[in-house]
Amino acid sequence: KQEVTQIPAALSVPEGENLVLNCSFTDSAIYNLQWFRQDPGKGLTSLLLIQSSQREQTSGRLNASLDKSSGRSTLYIAASQPGDSATYLCAVEGGGADGLTFGKGTHLIIQP
Amino acid sequence: DTAVSQTPKYLVTQMGNDKSIKCEQNLGHDTMYWYKQDSKKFLKIMFSYNNKELIINETVPNRFSPKSPDKAHLNLHINSLELGDSAVYFCASSPRTTGELFFGEGSRLTVL
Repeated sequence: KQEVTQIPAALSVPEGENLVLNCSFTDSAIYNLQWFRQDPGKGLTSLLLIQSSQREQTSGRLNASLDKSSGRSTLYIAASQPGDSATYLCAVEGGGADGLTFGKGTHLIIQP
Repeated sequence: DTAVSQTPKYLVTQMGNDKSIKCEQNLGHDTMYWYKQDSKKFLKIMFSYNNKELIINETVPNRFSPKSPDKAHLNLHINSLELGDSAVYFCASSPRTTGELFFGEGSRLTVL
């Protein structure tokens, strides 16, 4: 059974810093990995999708990497801003009835 | 334009009642999903459905049933509501090509 772990559970950094969020998964047989952002009381917004054949994806100040063999992904946020404050969720898709398996998220606070 | 919309956003009801949550997507996606987010913010898939196949997570009680009147809609019906059903329910959709998920804003169900 797939398990997804995110470290750290919470992170608070000053504005302007670069930061890395970590995600690990137990079963490397995945179709893709997605990073989502969840704002309080809101739905999830897809940030980056990495297919199993890819190593990384970039969107603006965000860069996500995938090392399928070691079961790890990182989300790099450059030049953090207060508007980046949210919960970031990592999810992997293994197909079938499992759908996406989510981690518990990293609650990020960017201090102005 | 809202891509994935859910109604109602908030639902408060008594134990034993039957309720429904509606979901519509205007993205032309082939597959729709229902996810449950519990009090610890952990997201777990309940159903995935396309016009050919319904896949049910085996842990979901049969009091929960998805109904899809057409490709753009996947409604969630819940019978005989229990206290433990209190959660936020998220609808999502994805295209067959990429598998990227697009989520609705969630429906917060409170069972008293």
